[in-house]
Amino acid sequence: DTGVSQDPRHKITKRGQNVTFRCDPISEHNRLYWYRQTLGQGPEFLTYFQNEAQLEKSRLLSDRFSAERPKGSFSTLEIQRTEQGDSAMYLCASSLTPPSRAGANEQFFGPGTRLTVL
Amino acid sequence: AQSVSQHNHHVILSEAASLELGCNYSYGGTVNLFWYVQYPGQHLQLLLKYFSGDPLVKGIKGFEAEFIKSKFSFNLRKPSVQWSDTAEYFCAVNLSFQKLVFGTGTRLLVSP
Repeated sequence: DTGVSQDPRHKITKRGQNVTFRCDPISEHNRLYWYRQTLGQGPEFLTYFQNEAQLEKSRLLSDRFSAERPKGSFSTLEIQRTEQGDSAMYLCASSLTPPSRAGANEQFFGPGTRLTVL
Repeated sequence: AQSVSQHNHHVILSEAASLELGCNYSYGGTVNLFWYVQYPGQHLQLLLKYFSGDPLVKGIKGFEAEFIKSKFSFNLRKPSVQWSDTAEYFCAVNLSFQKLVFGTGTRLLVSP
């Protein structure tokens, strides 16, 4: 399968613990995005990378959240001192850089990591 | 702030009925528009997209959408739905630096 993959698919943790999720994008895609989706809502943007550079972070991304893409390939999203409000589906997507700012390339989504904080 | 509104949260149709899902966005600049679908147990997939040109765009599985700039709308349509169209549908707007802003989604149930 050459799509976007995420690991783990499910994570159950106790409040206060740290968790880390991994995303492997489509290999030739240089852009990688993280979104969060809660029940009854659409995905909400968290952050994105172009190659290894993190170019934008949402205000949703508190200081307990950190994302990295050290070699411009896979990315990790870490949540420290988890809270019950962090329970959500965390989605990763990847895309190519569009040829111009007027255009946009399709973002391909992975299956997500469902986090449950007890 | 930029937002996307999907007015129908739940839609129930019988097979062969026509479908129209509403989507409105609030953003004054140039936008790119998308409809994504999430079938039960699967991840988000692109149905169709609008960047420029003909405001009537055709996507996969017989879906189409019409961009009406004056109404800030991008409604999704299908003339005859099938049971396999049961899914959640998300409208999204792409802003200048590439993030997607999604609506809250519409759950479609098609009864056989």
